[in-house]
Amino acid sequence: GAGVSQSPSNKVTEKGKDVELRCDPISGHTALYWYRQRLGQGLEFLIYFQGNSAPDKSGLPSDRFSAERTGESVSTLTIQRTQQEDSAVYLCASSLLTGLTYEQYFGPGTRLTVT
Amino acid sequence: GENVEQHPSTLSVQEGDSAVIKCTYSDSASNYFPWYKQELGKRPQLIIDIRSNVGEKKDQRIAVTLNKTAKHFSLHITETQPEDSAVYFCAASYFGNEKLTFGTGTRLTIIP
Repeated sequence: GAGVSQSPSNKVTEKGKDVELRCDPISGHTALYWYRQRLGQGLEFLIYFQGNSAPDKSGLPSDRFSAERTGESVSTLTIQRTQQEDSAVYLCASSLLTGLTYEQYFGPGTRLTVT
Repeated sequence: GENVEQHPSTLSVQEGDSAVIKCTYSDSASNYFPWYKQELGKRPQLIIDIRSNVGEKKDQRIAVTLNKTAKHFSLHITETQPEDSAVYFCAASYFGNEKLTFGTGTRLTIIP
């Protein structure tokens, strides 16, 4: 079946502009995560959605970052007034939390470059 | 919150030798410990995970060991091959809290 997809794959934007990144999780997966990965660095947690529960926004680095999810499907991550330090790969992951494993399936990422 | 430390940050081994990557965690409530492999330019993928009710788990050439008392767990890769070259991330969580806390990653290079 189809895996997690993300769009666009690459985004170049000017400093100060807003960007929207999209994630399509695996159908039926109730949990959805956003991470940021700077060049050569680890996975920085941003936000987590689980069903109809309030999202865990504890990883969002500033109020310029926000995310929404429609039911148990598509999610968008919005970065307002982009800064050069926002340049990174933004990874989305989804998971079906069975109680046996919390395997997260990652998308290919969106490479964001802020000039 | 949980804090996961991972060592070493880089590791080079001769093809055929073994590689060991170690992680420590801070939250004694954590009971789920996965390992992800990220090849260059690719997405992270789960390679093995362990729950706290077991001390060791093996899958062909890879194994993970867990010491709950010391709060550390390790990834062991035997008979390394060039395709094992990648960045490996450990993580920790507990059932009921689905958010994974990742380590900072280990870049493993297999020398032919």
